Amino acid sequence: EADIYQTPRYLVIGTGKKITLECSQTMGHDKMYWYQQDPGMELHLIHYSYGVNSTEKGDLSSESTVSRIRTEHFPLTLESARPSHTSQYLCASSEVGQGIIGGYTFGSGTRLTVV
Amino acid sequence: AQSVTQLDSQVPVFEEAPVELRCNYSSSVSVYLFWYVQYPNQGLQLLLKYLSGSTLVESINGFEAEFNKSQTSFHLRKPSVHISDTAEYFCAVQTGANNLFFGTGTRLTVIP
Repeated sequence: EADIYQTPRYLVIGTGKKITLECSQTMGHDKMYWYQQDPGMELHLIHYSYGVNSTEKGDLSSESTVSRIRTEHFPLTLESARPSHTSQYLCASSEVGQGIIGGYTFGSGTRLTVV
Repeated sequence: AQSVTQLDSQVPVFEEAPVELRCNYSSSVSVYLFWYVQYPNQGLQLLLKYLSGSTLVESINGFEAEFNKSQTSFHLRKPSVHISDTAEYFCAVQTGANNLFFGTGTRLTVIP
């Protein structure tokens, strides 16, 4: 079954550590996204990609970085984690094409806690 | 610029009662509209969408939403809720090939 996978589901890490959140999709979607979800539920777009070698910053400024070397893989990296990075991170993908408006497919999320 | 307003942050409702979750949007161009549902400790799932055609759209689990262009609304309704409908619900709008823009969400709690 085509899907989008995020690992790890939960991560507790100390301040100053480098972390990478993994996101992979099997649907061949060109466009991928990272959202940060606050405890109050609001979703903020922090990064997105149109395809391989494309990365763009979203509406919310973030200290994280992303890469897109393969269509199916869109990892997010924090070079030095801080308590302010504590949040839920959601990865999504969507199909792009003439007249294609299908909505996004989301992964299950990574809940990050920085202590 | 586009925006989405979900007027109610929390909606408690008794089991088997009807519910309406409100969503209003603003946009200067034509929009595509979506409702997503998020169950505890999960990602978002597409519930239903309006792209064109009939203004009333339905999901497989009994929810429906009606696109009202004059009132710029896309309210979500269900005539009789289940305990299993307890979740967060997000309204979202998209214009053209731009990114989805989400509302702040509504927490629906179904009371036994």
